[in-house]
Amino acid sequence: QVQLQQPGAELVKPGASVKMSCKASGYTFNSNWMHWVKQRPGQGLEWIGTIDPSDSYTSYNQKFKGKATLTVDTSSSTAYMQLSSLTSEDSAVYYCTRGGVLDYWGQGTTLTVSS
Amino acid sequence: DIVMTQSPATLSVTPGDRVSLSCRASQSVSDYLHWYHQRSHESPRLLIKYTSQSISGIPSRFSGSGSGSDFTLSINSVEPEDVGVYYCQNGHSFPYTFGGGTKLEIK
Repeated sequence: QVQLQQPGAELVKPGASVKMSCKASGYTFNSNWMHWVKQRPGQGLEWIGTIDPSDSYTSYNQKFKGKATLTVDTSSSTAYMQLSSLTSEDSAVYYCTRGGVLDYWGQGTTLTVSS
Repeated sequence: DIVMTQSPATLSVTPGDRVSLSCRASQSVSDYLHWYHQRSHESPRLLIKYTSQSISGIPSRFSGSGSGSDFTLSINSVEPEDVGVYYCQNGHSFPYTFGGGTKLEIK
């Protein structure tokens, strides 16, 4: 069965960077784009960007250009999202989700930016 | 960017009611319109894809309709486990965009 495994939580200091992971299993990793979605507490869903694991082509929401960097490691079927220059506005749950249709979602990583 | 607008923001219903949730796109998304359901503290779950296509494992009381820029998610006979927030999503072009959500409450 398809699974997208994400760490449950990350605690990072303001100004620092964090690299989140999303390990895929149960399907051919290269055959589906991987997307990342942000959800702030009590708020809606916000699309950050996507990466095609077959060639690492990326597309970003303009709002997150310079903030998020998407990469993949095809040898371990893992997608990564690095967020830089973190502020309290980056505290949120971050989901990885696959596809053109977002048919499978990870459990989300709760990022807390705090000193 | 394509702006997705959902209405109403909140819906309070009685079990057994039939409800309709609206989603409007600022420009045509053809049939590349998908619906998701999110319960509190859970990940979103795909409900309907490409406007009206059903998803394996999703109860048949959920259905979708529409085209172009005007779409509807219908729930035939609401059940208590249907509480949560429903989101529509533009899957036509990047950047993907979501509506603000409709929160379904059970009276």
